[in-house]
Amino acid sequence: EPEVTQTPSHQVTQMGQEVILRCVPISNHLYFYWYRQILGQKVEFLVSFYNNEISEKSEIFDDQFSVERPDGSNFTLKIRSTKLEDSAMYFCASSDERGYTFGSGTRLTVV
Amino acid sequence: QQQVKQSPQSLIVQKGGISIINCAYENTAFDYFPWYQQFPGKGPALLIAIRPDVSEKKEGRFTISFNKSAKQFSLHIMDSQPGDSATYFCAASIRPTRYQKVTFGTGTKLQVIP
Repeated sequence: EPEVTQTPSHQVTQMGQEVILRCVPISNHLYFYWYRQILGQKVEFLVSFYNNEISEKSEIFDDQFSVERPDGSNFTLKIRSTKLEDSAMYFCASSDERGYTFGSGTRLTVV
Repeated sequence: QQQVKQSPQSLIVQKGGISIINCAYENTAFDYFPWYQQFPGKGPALLIAIRPDVSEKKEGRFTISFNKSAKQFSLHIMDSQPGDSATYFCAASIRPTRYQKVTFGTGTKLQVIP
């Protein structure tokens, strides 16, 4: 069964540093998403991406965040200057008419 | 108005029992209601979903009941098993096409004890 692959599975970074979280969506999906889940809390929508541009973003997705599809297979989330409150699980997802598939997530720990 | 409210926050059920999780929504534009199952360290995985034109959907031991007028829906897990122990999220979105933004409930941590 096709999967959404995320790397790394766990990233530890110092506050103020830039991080890039990577995702490989399902190959024939056209819509891509990032969600965030702070430990023990609900999964929150961050941003959706289609046709090389952001189609929708939440209030969480401020100027510190950016997304990119640098090539035909990868989809990245960049956090420019990490804060302690950015510590969370970050899930990538992709969708087509039949459904929505989440990756296993990247646990980001900001110290 | 975009919220999906979910209860209880946690649930302990004996093996063989029925687990019931409830959700309510406000936005009447929502017309697709999936449930996701999440194991520790994993992403949410679609368990079962319903559209508001039906009042109930059953897949194996999992049943969604939907009350459109009350804007409520619930997940019933019959004959609950220890392997069902996970966090369950109800969710809502607007008619899935290729694009679908999902609004999640707050989650219910289910523990099934032998």
